[in-house]
Amino acid sequence: DAGVIQSPRHEVTEMGQEVTLRCKPISGHDYLFWYRQTMMRGLELLIYFNNNVPIDDSGMPEDRFSAKMPNASFSTLKIQPSEPRDSAVYFCASSSAPGGTTQYFGPGTRLLVL
Amino acid sequence: AQTVTQSQPEMSVQEAETVTLSCTYDTSESDYYLFWYKQPPSRQMILVIRQEAYKQQNATENRFSVNFQKAAKSFSLKISDSQLGDAAMYFCAYRSNFGNEKLTFGTGTRLTIIP
Repeated sequence: DAGVIQSPRHEVTEMGQEVTLRCKPISGHDYLFWYRQTMMRGLELLIYFNNNVPIDDSGMPEDRFSAKMPNASFSTLKIQPSEPRDSAVYFCASSSAPGGTTQYFGPGTRLLVL
Repeated sequence: AQTVTQSQPEMSVQEAETVTLSCTYDTSESDYYLFWYKQPPSRQMILVIRQEAYKQQNATENRFSVNFQKAAKSFSLKISDSQLGDAAMYFCAYRSNFGNEKLTFGTGTRLTIIP
């Protein structure tokens, strides 16, 4: 398996622009997670899905952030409009089951908002 | 809410020696999972080891082992025979077994291996 795939790997944009991050989970995994990593806040969960349904979006910073999972093999995280404080590494992860099963992480997208 | 604390921002160890990274957590739950993830300079998050709270036996994976003290809410990682490839950020993480699947991470420990 190719593992969790994220695109783009790097994104540089200007404040106010729309940014879309993409994720393809491991085939057969029912859970998909979006995490954000910053120096100030460390690694934090933004939202997670189970069977394409959002379960916990309490970590989404504000209305500028939205996430969708239209099917089992694709998810997007959108920021509109983007701000410099959104600069971070965004990780997508997936797992096959709840509880102690491993969450497999993608390589991350490094976002820089100027 | 659960919290995870890693009190050692940085650690260093001589190659081939043993090092222990500390982690404590706070929870009111009795059933949960604990993890150590490694993040090398490539940024990839890699699972190192996992511990189920209901198991008294400490988990081991080759050169990596944990010391899980449930009453003390402590979960340390021991790396034996340290290798240059072990240099990375190490994150301790908590996951509940009561419905919420998110990982709660500590702030990380940067491990340097001295040749």
